[in-house]
Amino acid sequence: EVQLVESGGGLVQPGGSLRLSCAASGFTFSSYRMNWVRQAPGKGLEWVANVIQNGSEKYYMDSVKGRFTISRDNAKNSLYLQMNSLRTEDTAVYYCCRGSSSSFWGQGTMVTVSS
Amino acid sequence: DVVMTQSPLSLPVTLGQPASISCRSSQSLVHSDGNTYLNWFQQRPGQPPRRLIYKISNRDSGVPDRFSGSGSGTDFTLKISRVEAEDVGVYYCMQGTHWPLTFGGGTKVEIK
Repeated sequence: EVQLVESGGGLVQPGGSLRLSCAASGFTFSSYRMNWVRQAPGKGLEWVANVIQNGSEKYYMDSVKGRFTISRDNAKNSLYLQMNSLRTEDTAVYYCCRGSSSSFWGQGTMVTVSS
Repeated sequence: DVVMTQSPLSLPVTLGQPASISCRSSQSLVHSDGNTYLNWFQQRPGQPPRRLIYKISNRDSGVPDRFSGSGSGTDFTLKISRVEAEDVGVYYCMQGTHWPLTFGGGTKVEIK
């Protein structure tokens, strides 16, 4: 059974940092690109970042470039999102998704940026 | 960035009746590899999104055949042939052809 389990969310002050993790199981993790997608409270979906299978190419939405870093560890079947210089507008549920077309989603982890 | 425009925003439907959601892109979604990376997602209340359709018209495993996708270029449609109670939720289109990947604003399907 395919599973994606996100962790690492929480409450952080503006300007702070968080590192999200996503543990994958039930499929060959190293064969898939992976996405982070977020959803602000009561709002729609917003793609955040993508990493290719071997981690050598990464793509970001403009508003997180230079602040967020996506990475992966294929030996640990894990995806990460290092988030620095957090802003109130980064408050959202962050989902880990399999593949560029997001064929499977985790349950998400909530990130709240507030003073 | 490619803008994805969905309509309507809200879609009240009678059980057993059909429903149709439109998604238009600001530029062609035909990739240089010949594929069109247009996907549809369903998000039931309190749940993460679930992909229903990929590359315009391919249903994911376990998706009922009352869901169908069609379209080409910049104009796409998701149809539900006979709406059931479990279909209530928000539906999103997403393009995967151009960076950054972008989603439509969502269409809320509810029962009349």
